Amino acid sequence: NAGVTQTPKFRVLKTGQSMTLLCAQDMNHEYMYWYRQDPGMGLRLIHYSVGEGTTAKGEVPDGYNVSRLKKQNFLLGLESAAPSQTSVYFCASRSALAGFYEQYFGPGTRLTVT
Amino acid sequence: EDQVTQSPEALRLQEGESSSLNCSYTVSGLRGLFWYRQDPGKGPEFLFTLYSAGEEKEKERLKATLTKKESFLHITAPKPEDSATYLCAVQVPLIKAAGNKLTFGGGTRVLVKP
Repeated sequence: NAGVTQTPKFRVLKTGQSMTLLCAQDMNHEYMYWYRQDPGMGLRLIHYSVGEGTTAKGEVPDGYNVSRLKKQNFLLGLESAAPSQTSVYFCASRSALAGFYEQYFGPGTRLTVT
Repeated sequence: EDQVTQSPEALRLQEGESSSLNCSYTVSGLRGLFWYRQDPGKGPEFLFTLYSAGEEKEKERLKATLTKKESFLHITAPKPEDSATYLCAVQVPLIKAAGNKLTFGGGTRVLVKP
């Protein structure tokens, strides 16, 4: 049981390049989330999904797109990277069952945009 | 606007010196308060969920309590391995969408010296 995994662990992009971050969970969770963590800003929600085939915007969605084609995977895309997107990105998932609201986080992807 | 404030920002303790971390919040429609531990370079690790004032949860040297306006994380007789950043988060309903979101505080960095 690996929990939540993220690929890649590190990435350096040049301004304007694109990339996709992959999140996978093996806990059969319905809900999945993408956050970014920046010094002094805490963790902020980018996009989330309440089930396969659904996505929705969080607090800071601009410049990102997501897809949830399979229940276990949640992809975060950057179409044209900007230096402001330099951050550590975390994926999380949680059960939809009542009383199990805690989110479980992946190890993170450290992205630098130059 | 939902706000979560953690204090102090940093805490240096001697091994065995007990202390408390504070998480104060002003939110609409609290649906749970969560404590996480985050080690450098890793994702947040779930510790506790608290749902109602007066509730307490314990795990080894950690004890979390909840009132109507704040939560405390008590560390009793800490050891160096308790050194980490402790994050507090509140679950609130999403505006204009189904589901809930976590709003995080800025964290408290704890260093326990032997």
